[in-house]
Amino acid sequence: DVKVTQSSRYLVKRTGEKVFLECVQDMDHENMFWYRQDPGLGLRLIYFSYDVKMKEKGDIPEGYSVSREKKERFSLILESASTNQTSMYLCASSPRQGMGDTQYFGPGTRLTVL
Amino acid sequence: GQSLEQPSEVTAVEGAIVQINCTYQTSGFYGLSWYQQHDGGAPTFLSYNGLDGLEETGRFSSFLSRSDSYGYLLLQELQMKDSASYFCALKGNLGNTPLVFGKGTRLSVIA
Repeated sequence: DVKVTQSSRYLVKRTGEKVFLECVQDMDHENMFWYRQDPGLGLRLIYFSYDVKMKEKGDIPEGYSVSREKKERFSLILESASTNQTSMYLCASSPRQGMGDTQYFGPGTRLTVL
Repeated sequence: GQSLEQPSEVTAVEGAIVQINCTYQTSGFYGLSWYQQHDGGAPTFLSYNGLDGLEETGRFSSFLSRSDSYGYLLLQELQMKDSASYFCALKGNLGNTPLVFGKGTRLSVIA
């Protein structure tokens, strides 16, 4: 069974803290993605990676960075958390091949920055 | 670039049929996908149309017309558990670009 896991379901941090969100997939997928989801705004792509040590900016990369040291793990880093980064964060993965690019999502991390 | 438009909300009666439309603008793409997301849950893949026409999976069907830049998701015999958000998404075929999602349609099924 396909599985994408995220390190926390709920997280509360303070403004200025460095925040790490971890995502692990066990499907040997090459592609991994980080989205944030806010009411009325849908899924917005923050960063994605098509291979180990590779990263590409998505639509809203400002204030975020990522790390992909191993194929199965993709980390999202908030260098200095701000209240406008309070959101639901979703990780996804997909296999390299496939024109449909079917994505498998993790359960999400609801981050609150106080 | 690509953009997708879908209604923000749809309400339908249990047992009925509902159609969720998705119009798009793109300079080239492989196909149109649909995802379902229940409140508090993760999006899950529902269907994919690589070619024009109708794809059927049980109570759900999805349609694509490239000439009209339009697709839809059709849900039949609606059940209360179908209340969820539905997202259309497309993958561009110019370079290695990720999926682009619409903003989602919240479907409420009422008794």
